[in-house]
Amino acid sequence: KQEVTQIPAALSVPEGENLVLNCSFTDSAIYNLQWFRQDPGKGLTSLLLIQSSQREQTSGRLNASLDKSSGRSTLYIAASQPGDSATYLCAVPLMSAGNMLTFGGGTRLMVKP
Amino acid sequence: DTGVSQDPRHKITKRGQNVTFRCDPISEHNRLYWYRQTLGQGPEFLTYFQNEAQLEKSRLLSDRFSAERPKGSFSTLEIQRTEQGDSAMYLCASSPGDRAPYYGYTFGSGTRLTVV
Repeated sequence: KQEVTQIPAALSVPEGENLVLNCSFTDSAIYNLQWFRQDPGKGLTSLLLIQSSQREQTSGRLNASLDKSSGRSTLYIAASQPGDSATYLCAVPLMSAGNMLTFGGGTRLMVKP
Repeated sequence: DTGVSQDPRHKITKRGQNVTFRCDPISEHNRLYWYRQTLGQGPEFLTYFQNEAQLEKSRLLSDRFSAERPKGSFSTLEIQRTEQGDSAMYLCASSPGDRAPYYGYTFGSGTRLTVV
């Protein structure tokens, strides 16, 4: 059974800091890993999708890396801004017929001005 | 196509009442998923459809829950005799079928249910 864990559960940083969010998964047989952002009371917005054959993906100030063998992914946010305050979730699809996603519990980020 | 749409955004209901939520997926996506998210937790899988066929249901989906996807387009999730424990965010996602693991999933804005 795939289990996904995110550390830390919450993070508070001053504006301008570079930060790293961690995601670990127990079964390394994955198709890909997807990072989402969730604002309070809202749905999920996809940030980055890393295929199992890739090591990293970049979008603007965001960089996600994937190490399948160790069951880890990191989301790096450069020069954080108050607008980055949100919950960040990682998820992997199961290697089953439905490929439904298994999510971590999320990291709640607050960037203080 | 503007993405996955969910309606309503918020629903407050009294315990024991029935509620129904709707999800309109991206038109070319033939897979549709329902997830439930309680406060401070990640979303948990409830059920999914491939076209109009409901192919898998989680143990979280008690017999008070029923989902449909007539004609393989929009989907509805109904909760009968609501309980306070049903209070959660209900999220819908769609994906392009067998290519889902490679193309990712698109989520809607969710329906926040509060049972009082």
